[in-house]
Amino acid sequence: EAQVTQNPRYLITVTGKKLTVTCSQNMNHEYMSWYRQDPGLGLRQIYYSMNVEVTDKGDVPEGYKVSRKEKRNFPLILESPSPNQTSLYFCASSPFSYNEQFFGPGTRLTVL
Amino acid sequence: GENVEQHPSTLSVQEGDSAVIKCTYSDSASNYFPWYKQELGKRPQLIIDIRSNVGEKKDQRIAVTLNKTAKHFSLHITETQPEDSAVYFCAASRAHSWGKLQFGAGTQVVVTP
Repeated sequence: EAQVTQNPRYLITVTGKKLTVTCSQNMNHEYMSWYRQDPGLGLRQIYYSMNVEVTDKGDVPEGYKVSRKEKRNFPLILESPSPNQTSLYFCASSPFSYNEQFFGPGTRLTVL
Repeated sequence: GENVEQHPSTLSVQEGDSAVIKCTYSDSASNYFPWYKQELGKRPQLIIDIRSNVGEKKDQRIAVTLNKTAKHFSLHITETQPEDSAVYFCAASRAHSWGKLQFGAGTQVVVTP
C-alpha cells in the first residue's frame, strides 16, 4: 500500500531532551516536506527536500533540523525541544514540488 | 515572501446550499494553488488544485477559480452534504521557490442537515 508513515504518533517529552520524528514513504517520491499545525495558524512549512541531500528551509525552521540521506526517509530532529514546539507535525511527500502532497498521519508532540 | 490570507475562518451552511472560501496571496509570481481538506483527526488531503495558466477548474461539486490580476482564488462547493464538514486549507506556491508552499489559516466548514 502506497503510504507515508510517521513515528512516533504521540510523544510527550521535556524541555531540552533531543528527539527525532521519523518519516518514510514508499512511493519513490522526490519531494518531501515537514509541516507543523497549530490552531488558527494553519499548516506552516518547516523544511522541505527536493531530493536526496537537497534540503531547504520553509517558513519556520528555527529549532529544527532535517536530513535526507535516502530517498524514502526524511527525519525531523529537535536538538533541544522547547514548549513552543508543542504542536501537531505532518510529513508529506510528492512526486515533485508542484503536485499533490501525500500526508502522513501526524505526530502530536508535547514538550513540557 | 508569500503571504496567504483565507476567509472566512468559519462557515456554517445548510445542507444543499453552496459554500465559498476565498484566499488572497501576495506574491504575483505564485503559480500553483492547491486546496486541501482535513476531516477531524485526519490528515490533510488534496481535493483540487489549479495552476496559473487556468482560470477555473471543476471536479463534480467542487470548483476553484483564480483571478491572477486581483491575486485571489476561491473554492466553491455546491450542493453541500454533511460529509463536506471539515477544515479546508488553501495554499500557494511560486515558481523558482523550489518547493516552498504557503498555506492559509484554514476555514472550518460545518454543514447542518
